[in-house]
Amino acid sequence: QVQLVQSGAEVKEPGASVKVSCKASGYTFTTHEIIWVRQATGQGLEWMGWLNTNSGYTNFAQKFQGRVTMTRDTSISTAYMELTSLRSEDTAVYYCARNAEGLRYWGQGTLVTVSS
Amino acid sequence: QSALTQPRSVSGSPGQSVTISCTGTSSDVGAYNYVSWYQQHPGKAPKLIIFDVTRRPSGVPDRFSGSKSGNTASLTISGLQAEDEADYYCCSYAGTYSFIFGGGTKLTVL
Repeated sequence: QVQLVQSGAEVKEPGASVKVSCKASGYTFTTHEIIWVRQATGQGLEWMGWLNTNSGYTNFAQKFQGRVTMTRDTSISTAYMELTSLRSEDTAVYYCARNAEGLRYWGQGTLVTVSS
Repeated sequence: QSALTQPRSVSGSPGQSVTISCTGTSSDVGAYNYVSWYQQHPGKAPKLIIFDVTRRPSGVPDRFSGSKSGNTASLTISGLQAEDEADYYCCSYAGTYSFIFGGGTKLTVL
């Protein structure tokens, strides 16, 4: 069965960076894009970016341009999202999801807390 | 790019029907038949309930249906049940490998 398993919760200081991983199983990793979405506490879902797991092509929401990187390691079927220059407003749950006929499969979410 | 517009809340009694609207623009909802809807219970990851405007993933009850007219997509839930109480989000493809979500709608089952 398809599964996306994300890395554990992180606590970071303002100005630091965080890298969240998303390990896929149950399907051929390079056949479907990975989408990253975040959700601040009590807020809605926010699309962050798109990763083509085959070519490595990425596209990001304008508000994250210059601060986010999305990569993948096809040998271990894992996608990564790195966000730099963290600020308190980046405190949120970060999700990865597989893009195929909608976002049918989601990771469990990774809570990133930015606090001094 | 602003979020798609959804009502902040809707409510209905068990057995009734409710419809949640999702208004975008001619660059997203109006341009593509790639609108999806997600149900999210507190503390859980979103769950896909509608994709490609009208299609239901296997396992999703046919009480959930989707439609679109122009720049507005809609999710209708008929025969409301207590477990339908959740937050609902629409999402549209917006071209050039991008998506946009709605602001979310809280459904209360009275």
